[in-house]
Amino acid sequence: SYELTQPPSVSVSPGQTASITCSGDKLGDKYACWYQQKPGQSPVLVIYQDIKRPSGIPERFSGSNSGNTATLTISGTQAMDEADYYCQAWDGSTVVFGGGTKLTVL
Amino acid sequence: EVQLVESGGGLIQPGGSVRLSCAASGFTVSSNYMSWVRQAPGKGLEWVSDIYTGGNKYYGDSVKGRFTISRDNSKNTLYLQMNSLRAEDTAVYYCARKVHDGFDIWGQGTMVTVSS
Repeated sequence: SYELTQPPSVSVSPGQTASITCSGDKLGDKYACWYQQKPGQSPVLVIYQDIKRPSGIPERFSGSNSGNTATLTISGTQAMDEADYYCQAWDGSTVVFGGGTKLTVL
Repeated sequence: EVQLVESGGGLIQPGGSVRLSCAASGFTVSSNYMSWVRQAPGKGLEWVSDIYTGGNKYYGDSVKGRFTISRDNSKNTLYLQMNSLRAEDTAVYYCARKVHDGFDIWGQGTMVTVSS
């Protein structure tokens, strides 16, 4: 079965750039999405189709996807961005999530 | 307002059954791809099931043969019938709308605890 791999944790200082990776076999041939989830809340879509931001998502969130790796980049990270982040892709008719990355803003 | 509201969770004995409901407002369930996603306590997201606009249904390997997704167009509601429940099915169950290869609308979730 298809798998997506994320680092368990990433730390960043306020105002700096955070990058969270998601790896999977030929992931660049699929569309990747990213979700933000804060404690006790439902996930929120922050990036879809690799690079697109839903309405209401700040411009500091961006995405890329090439080869075997998709990346979520948060520029000028703010304290409010501290959360768990999950990547997601389709493999045929199956939906696959990465294991999640805890972003800590120190 | 576009929203999804789940209900039906609770404490279920191993081997038991439960039906989750997800009431939609602000859009039509039957015109969208709809999904169930679950999250075990302290764990990540796990896809459970999809139902497409044409009625095709898909399931994750861990629930195949035990769970059934369905919808009632007259009630604009999505369902998940869960049978032969196991301890490892304990999770918050979210319903979500799938658009552009991602889930753009999520419900607040309903907790299912499988324990004796």
